[in-house]
Amino acid sequence: DIQMTQSSSYLSVSLGGRVTITCKASDHINNWLAWYQQKPGNAPRLLISGATSLETGVPSRFSGSGSGKDYTLSITSLQTEDVATYYCQQYWSTPLTFGAGTKLELK
Amino acid sequence: QIQLVQSGPELKKPGETVKISCKASGYTFTNYGMNWVKQAPGKGLKWMGWINTNTGEPTYAEEFKGRFAFSLETSASTAYLQINNLKNEDTATYFCARTGDDYMDYWGQGTSVTVSS
Repeated sequence: DIQMTQSSSYLSVSLGGRVTITCKASDHINNWLAWYQQKPGNAPRLLISGATSLETGVPSRFSGSGSGKDYTLSITSLQTEDVATYYCQQYWSTPLTFGAGTKLELK
Repeated sequence: QIQLVQSGPELKKPGETVKISCKASGYTFTNYGMNWVKQAPGKGLKWMGWINTNTGEPTYAEEFKGRFAFSLETSASTAYLQINNLKNEDTATYFCARTGDDYMDYWGQGTSVTVSS
């Protein structure tokens, strides 16, 4: 199984600031990576697929990058509505696996 | 618009059975597979497996082989998750999520299952 490691469980962030969330796979996943946002009590929402492709309706302040084993989700000019937990997920091989999540908290 | 609407919360005793539904609308049901994802209280997301809505063939993650069953009612565009012989550790929210090339592009709202004696 491919393990997905999000190095930070929590990140303390400021409104208007830039946030970078990292995700490392235990094996190469060839950009077969998705990012999801989950707010308390809600279902996850797909933000990015293919490591870099922004889903329709997702604000352009979100972006994804990376290759091989290492991937990043960036949020510029953080808004209140961006405070949530973010998960990466690989779909290179089954079982599909998620990172443990990174929860954003306001400073 | 595309929607996945799940059945309501369930309170069950250990050893009982629960069946959760996920009704799809706004797209051709058999063109996309359906995943099931578990989220225990305060925990992350765990992929349980998926069902091919065209053939009905289920695929289960190793941890979910045995007591778990995915099924379909294609005429009603509905997928089901059944959990038999419920255990306390099955207490969680269960999500259905449409497969979009193996990532999950649309999600149901989640169904809370509480197992308690």
